[in-house]
Amino acid sequence: QQQVKQSPQSLIVQKGGISIINCAYENTAFDYFPWYQQFPGKGPALLIAIRPDVSEKKEGRFTISFNKSAKQFSLHIMDSQPGDSATYFCAASRYSGGSNYKLTFGKGTLLTVNP
Amino acid sequence: DTGVSQDPRHKITKRGQNVTFRCDPISEHNRLYWYRQTLGQGPEFLTYFQNEAQLEKSRLLSDRFSAERPKGSFSTLEIQRTEQGDSAMYLCASSPRVAISPLGNTIYFGEGSWLTVV
Repeated sequence: QQQVKQSPQSLIVQKGGISIINCAYENTAFDYFPWYQQFPGKGPALLIAIRPDVSEKKEGRFTISFNKSAKQFSLHIMDSQPGDSATYFCAASRYSGGSNYKLTFGKGTLLTVNP
Repeated sequence: DTGVSQDPRHKITKRGQNVTFRCDPISEHNRLYWYRQTLGQGPEFLTYFQNEAQLEKSRLLSDRFSAERPKGSFSTLEIQRTEQGDSAMYLCASSPRVAISPLGNTIYFGEGSWLTVV
């Protein structure tokens, strides 16, 4: 059972464009939604995260939009740059005891930003 | 702060052999996690330690897998009688004791240990 569904599987964007990656979750107990960025041969690195009490969070060129009723959240990358080319994973977990340890990840989106 | 360190980074082994991976978390991080990632998939949770106590194990962790964190610092993940299906990247992660933001603890991943079983 895939609890977090991510789309698209791959995405090609021109430099300066907007990259949009979508995720949907099933478990309504999830209350922490991070996005991770992974470069080839590296471990995932936390990019941005949100809790369901807000509908949007922005950090620099990265924005998470969250729709609790639809159980969906998305990552928007504004002014996409070639250096953003990486695999992006959405994830979800239930906040427990101060540690969001049991992350459930989507399958990832391979983003390519052409110069 | 040198980040989460994993060793070895790559391991090729014959089916049936045992392998062991080591993880050194960020110093003073009391929580340590193991995840497994196969090609084209997201990481999957395997197990979690708080200090030296192993608090949760996924059903993915068969009886051929064992993880330890004897002194609450570094951790080892051993796979006995390896099978081709064990080929994957094994990721270690750690997080600090105290939440540093309202979002909870940030989980920091290492660069992973690639296992190929031939």
